Amino acid sequence: AQKITQTQPGMFVQEKEAVTLDCTYDTSDQSYGLFWYKQPSSGEMIFLIYQGSYDEQNATEGRYSLNFQKARKSANLVISASQLGDSAMYFCAMREGTYKYIFGTGTRLKVLA
Amino acid sequence: NAGVTQTPKFRVLKTGQSMTLLCAQDMNHEYMYWYRQDPGMGLRLIHYSVGEGTTAKGEVPDGYNVSRLKKQNFLLGLESAAPSQTSVYFCASIFVAGGREQEQYFGPGTRLTVT
Repeated sequence: AQKITQTQPGMFVQEKEAVTLDCTYDTSDQSYGLFWYKQPSSGEMIFLIYQGSYDEQNATEGRYSLNFQKARKSANLVISASQLGDSAMYFCAMREGTYKYIFGTGTRLKVLA
Repeated sequence: NAGVTQTPKFRVLKTGQSMTLLCAQDMNHEYMYWYRQDPGMGLRLIHYSVGEGTTAKGEVPDGYNVSRLKKQNFLLGLESAAPSQTSVYFCASIFVAGGREQEQYFGPGTRLTVT
């Protein structure tokens, strides 16, 4: 069974608008971590934001915020004020157990001028 | 600080050949990982290591072996390459510190083609 699900293979957003990338997860652990990474066309993996399962507040990092809904097991990434440089693949990942990570299949975001 | 480096960056192998991919990190990280990335599949964990001298299987370990003889190095070996192993390989590491979650630091990737 897929533990990290990203249902949007591709997304478009107009420059300067906000966009939400969906991520749902499945785990029976009480302690887990959720991450978002960006992979531009150059190929490197860039860490964006982290949310712990016990964190009561949603994580924010600059223009990135994570909409964490624990009961729904969702950890959506919100990018505000999209920029052309935000065009990339975005991966949701979950740390389960002792530092073992599972990645989703990714969402390709294209920002339109 | 070089971070996480991978050698080589590109490689073409013929079916049946062997090779070793080297991952090195200079951040004194305890945990190291090898992933493969295929189109539409995201990153899948091949093997990982929680410390020098210890390794464990991930989601897709078949056809690969690993070794962690030194804390800073994590080697991924292909004994007899197959076209199904054509992929981009990423190494990653984390520093596990006193209750604070750490993100994975990734290398730049190795693009391997098996013909």
